Amino acid sequence: TQLLEQSPQFLSIQEGENLTVYCNSSSVFSSLQWYRQEPGEGPVLLVTVVTGGEVKKLKRLTFQFGDARKDSSLHITAAQPGDTGLYLCASDTGRRALTFGSGTRLQVQP
Amino acid sequence: DTGVSQNPRHKITKRGQNVTFRCDPISEHNRLYWYRQTLGQGPEFLTYFQNEAQLEKSRLLSDRFSAERPKGSFSTLEIQRTEQGDSAMYLCASSQLNQPQHFGDGTRLSIL
Repeated sequence: TQLLEQSPQFLSIQEGENLTVYCNSSSVFSSLQWYRQEPGEGPVLLVTVVTGGEVKKLKRLTFQFGDARKDSSLHITAAQPGDTGLYLCASDTGRRALTFGSGTRLQVQP
Repeated sequence: DTGVSQNPRHKITKRGQNVTFRCDPISEHNRLYWYRQTLGQGPEFLTYFQNEAQLEKSRLLSDRFSAERPKGSFSTLEIQRTEQGDSAMYLCASSQLNQPQHFGDGTRLSIL
């Protein structure tokens, strides 16, 4: 079973700061998805990356997929309190079900 | 709202009781998934249906757990003889073929 390691586990920053969170595996991802989950709600898909070296942008969020497709990063520019939540990476690892990392819990203080 | 719907949102029960959760997927989605999420962790896969057929079950799904999707639409997840360790958020997701999964807001189970 492919394990996805996310770092850091917890991040508390001030509004306006930049941050990067990481997702790593010892195995190659077939594809990778990033989700955000708020307390009491289900995960919401942010992006899917498929091609090694791919970069996708979603407003202030930039997602990068490693060239070898074993790692990915999420960079947030000028974080806002609304960015607060649990950021999860997930891969289908060739199966239909998703394997999730344990997440990075982000707290953005106003 | 045409998203994935889960009921109840919160269930509190005594250890040893049986509980049943319901998931209504997005109507045109033929795939349905159940996951379990404990505090501080990401969701863990439990089982998966394509239409009414249960195609995959995780080793996390002990004999006390059973899931059904009788008409290929809604699904139920039953836990018999609940234990303290069953306390978690139970998430349902649905998708179309090779498309991203859409998650419901979960049922939070608390075992007293």
